[in-house]
Order: sequence, then C-alpha cells, then structure tokens
Amino acid sequence: GEDVEQSLFLSVREGDSSVINCTYTDSSSTYLYWYKQEPGAGLQLLTYIFSNMDMKQDQRLTVLLNKKDKHLSLRIADTQTGDSAIYFCAEWTSGTYKYIFGTGTRLKVLA
Amino acid sequence: ETGVTQTPRHLVMGMTNKKSLKCEQHLGHNAMYWYKQSAKKPLELMFVYNFKEQTENNSVPSRFSPECPNSSHLFLHLHTLQPEDSALYLCASSQPGLAGDYEQFFGPGTRLTVL
Repeated sequence: GEDVEQSLFLSVREGDSSVINCTYTDSSSTYLYWYKQEPGAGLQLLTYIFSNMDMKQDQRLTVLLNKKDKHLSLRIADTQTGDSAIYFCAEWTSGTYKYIFGTGTRLKVLA
Repeated sequence: ETGVTQTPRHLVMGMTNKKSLKCEQHLGHNAMYWYKQSAKKPLELMFVYNFKEQTENNSVPSRFSPECPNSSHLFLHLHTLQPEDSALYLCASSQPGLAGDYEQFFGPGTRLTVL
C-alpha cells in the first residue's frame, strides 16, 4: 500500500536552516503537502506542491520535489524558536479522498 | 466559533465505558475525517465522510463507530476500548472537488486515555 516515511526528530540551532525530508511510494500522487502541528493544536497547512513542479518557494520555506526518487523536502531558512513543532508530510491522489500522512518530524530549535 | 472544533479536549475512560467524541466544522465543507495520532506512528486515517456518506473505513475495529448526521457534524462513538486505543483523535474537514489546493482543516484533537 501507499507509504510516507519521515525521520522522527531533527534538532537545529536558531538562525540555521532546517531541512526535513520525506519519501513516499505512490507515484500517482497529485499533491504533496507539509503540515505543521504546534503543541496542543491540530495540523495546519504550511505549503503544498503540485506533482508536476520541482520547487516552490514561499518566504522562508522552500519545497523541493524529486519525483523520480519520490523524495520531498522542506527547507526552513533562518529557523526560529517559534518553528519548533511537528512537521507532517502528506500526499493526496486525485480521485480519492485519502490523504496519506507520515509519522511527523519533531523539530526542536535550540536558542 | 470558527474553523473545526472538537469536544471534549481530554477524555479518560475505562474499558467498559461508552463515550462519544464530537466534531463540528463551520467552514461549509462537504468532507469530514477522523484520524488517530499515536506517538512514532504515521497519522492514521480512520473514516471519511463525503456529503454525509461514509466513503472510507480504514479497517477500523468495530468498537469505534462513526456517525455523520449532517455535513457540519461528525461523531465518533466509543465502546469497550482497549488501552492501546489511547491516542490523540483528530477531526478534519475539506472541500473536495475545488480547483487549486485541497487543504484539510484540522481541529485541535481529543486526547483519549483508556484505563
């Protein structure tokens, strides 16, 4: 079946760049997403990329998609303590109602 | 109230209890979802409702029983749960079929502990 994998933890220093990686198995994915979950809250959409794109930039966020390797990454420039959260990668395929999420990567930003 | 709300936020129950989780969305969406979030595991899709009809049941045990009386409300009825069912239960909604992004809007979740 479809699978989305992420590493569980990432720790960076404030001001550095963070790179969170994700691999997925479904080659028919239409959209790939990054969601952020802060403590005590539900998931909130950060950004998404359509499957025919290689890169998307949105302020401090850069999403890179390597469709051949089924690899998605989220780069956060100038990481701040407020970026500490769990980041979920997810895929969605047109014609289904199923979003497939990963385990989430817990990002800890050290002051 | 705006967005997606869930009640209660915390629930502790014994294995023989019966309880219900409630979700309400104020976004006019037609699809609603239940997810289970456990530590170190992928976010697990449990049920999907579209226009009040269940379109997905992801092999969930029968001790979890969903109910969707209308497009704005979603319930998860719980009975004879096991300790391993302890988790954060998230509700989400979306508007399938629109062009552009297909964002899911999540509630804050119900933290369930089964003793």
